[in-house]
Amino acid sequence: GAGVSQSPSNKVTEKGKDVELRCDPISGHTALYWYRQSLGQGLEFLIYFQGNSAPDKSGLPSDRFSAERTGGSVSTLTIQRTQQEDSAVYLCASSFRLAGGSSYNEQFFGPGTRLTVL
Amino acid sequence: AQSVAQPEDQVNVAEGNPLTVKCTYSVSGNPYLFWYVQYPNRGLQFLLKYITGDNLVKGSYGFEAEFNKSQTSFHLKKPSALVSDSALYFCAGRTGYALNFGKGTSLLVTP
Repeated sequence: GAGVSQSPSNKVTEKGKDVELRCDPISGHTALYWYRQSLGQGLEFLIYFQGNSAPDKSGLPSDRFSAERTGGSVSTLTIQRTQQEDSAVYLCASSFRLAGGSSYNEQFFGPGTRLTVL
Repeated sequence: AQSVAQPEDQVNVAEGNPLTVKCTYSVSGNPYLFWYVQYPNRGLQFLLKYITGDNLVKGSYGFEAEFNKSQTSFHLKKPSALVSDSALYFCAGRTGYALNFGKGTSLLVTP
């Protein structure tokens, strides 16, 4: 079946511009996650969605970062007024959530969006 | 919270030899541990997980991992390495719904 897809695969933008990154999770996966991978910081958790709600936004690095999920499916990560330190690969993942409790299931990752802020 | 550490930046092994990629963990509560692999310009691929049960966990592509509670380790192993196993390997623990990843270990398998 289809895996997690992300678009665009690459994005080059100028400092100060806004960008939108899209994630399409595996069909039927109720949980969706955003991570950031950079040389200096490794893999960092950004935000988690269960359905359309985001109970955990603890990893968002600043108020310039926001995310939404509609219809329990596609998610968009928006970075406003981009800075050079935002340059990284943004990874999206999805998983099943077991009924009645926490998710112990593995997360399936998309190929990522490479963001370069000039 | 669960944190993991990967003490080696790089592991080199000859094709056909056994390989080990090390991971240690620090947890409060029951550990939930994962291994992922990342090939160049690709996303992370799930290899295996430990939730509970047998200490030896078998995963994809012939990989396995041994959970050792006394040594707080979860090392990734493969009996016979392939050149195609060369990639970046990440160990991860779970905190809430998020995965906390180690810094990664680059595995190079030489012919």
